[in-house]
This record gives sequence, structure tokens and C-alpha cells, in this order.
Amino acid sequence: SQTIHQWPATLVQPVGSPLSLECTVEGTSNPNLYWYRQAAGRGLQLLFYSVGIGQISSEVPQNLSASRPQDRQFILSSKKLLLSDSGFYLCAWSRGGGTEAFFGQGTRLTVV
Amino acid sequence: SQELEQSPQSLIVQEGKNLTINCTSSKTLYGLYWYKQKYGEGLIFLMMLQKGGEEKSHEKITAKLDEKKQQSSLHITASQPSHAGIYLCGADSNSGYALNFGKGTSLLVTP
Repeated sequence: SQTIHQWPATLVQPVGSPLSLECTVEGTSNPNLYWYRQAAGRGLQLLFYSVGIGQISSEVPQNLSASRPQDRQFILSSKKLLLSDSGFYLCAWSRGGGTEAFFGQGTRLTVV
Repeated sequence: SQELEQSPQSLIVQEGKNLTINCTSSKTLYGLYWYKQKYGEGLIFLMMLQKGGEEKSHEKITAKLDEKKQQSSLHITASQPSHAGIYLCGADSNSGYALNFGKGTSLLVTP
């Protein structure tokens, strides 16, 4: 069966510090991978998606970047965090477009 | 871009009561997905609807996609405290590779 791991579960970082969140999927190959952010009152916002190694599509301009160094690894990064980067970050995978996505347990990021 | 509106935003029901959550799209839905999220956790996939008029059930939860494929409803029969959480509807994005989501409906079931 397929599993998705996301860590850390919670993170408190000072403004201006770097960020690296990691997500890995097991039990499947060549998944589509996604990073979403959930902020209070704003719903679930798609940040990045990837359909293959090294292929990253950004949905909204922002202070974040994503990378996919391996088939089942997806990383969300920032060089300098802003207060507005606080939120609940969710990684997800799917078998392809038009199919359901499966989510990790999320990372609660608080920028102070 | 496609927008998904969910109603109501929040709902408090007494245990044992039935309830309905609606999801309305600004465009034709080619895939409509329902998820449940417990507070502070990831989303759990419930079911997917593709065909107009389609209806699916998962335990005491039933979802329908209307004939015009622009609205879906999620119905819970005889609600229980375990049904509490946030229910989100999602739809295939314009790119076709990802899902867009509504803002969610927060459900609380009281004893």
C-alpha cells in the first residue's frame, strides 16, 4: 500500500530564517506531487505541483520554492521566511490528473 | 479559474440528526472530490464523483453530483460525534494536474 510521510509536524522559525520541509511517498512510482498551504479563512491553496523529477509548476508567486530531487521526494523551501508564510502546509500525491489526491499529516509552521 | 463555494461555512448539529453540505462550482465539474479533515491533520479522501446524476455512499455519508455537473451535495445520516471535522470539496484544476478546493464546512456534532 502507498504511504506519504511529511515532516516535521510542527515548526517555529524566526523571520528571515530558511525553511526546508520534506515529503516522501512510498509504494508507488512516478506520482504527481503537490504542496498546499491552508490558512485560516482562506481555504486550501495549491502552491506547487510536480509531474516528474525536476519538473515543478508554481501556482502562485511567493517567497517559497519547491524541488523534486528524486521520484518520490518533494521539498518545500524558503531562503528567508516572512511572517505571512505561517500556516499549515500539506503535501499530497496522486496517480495523475483526474484522480484523487492523498495527503500527508501536515506541518504547522509558525513564523515569529 | 474555477471557484468552489461551500455552504454552510459551519454547522452545529445534535447527534442523530441528518445534515447536508453543498458545493457549487462556477464551471462544469469533470471530477468532484469530497474530503474530511480532522482539526490539525491531513485530508482524508471520502469519494469522487464524475458523472452527472452520480451518487456514492461511504458508511453513513452520501454524495451526489447534479445532472448539470455544477453542484454537489454531501449528506450525513444520523450524525455521530465521529463525523465532526472540516469537509472540503475539490475539483480538477484548469491544468488538469491538481485539485482546487473550496474553503470547507466545519461540522460539530453535539451529544
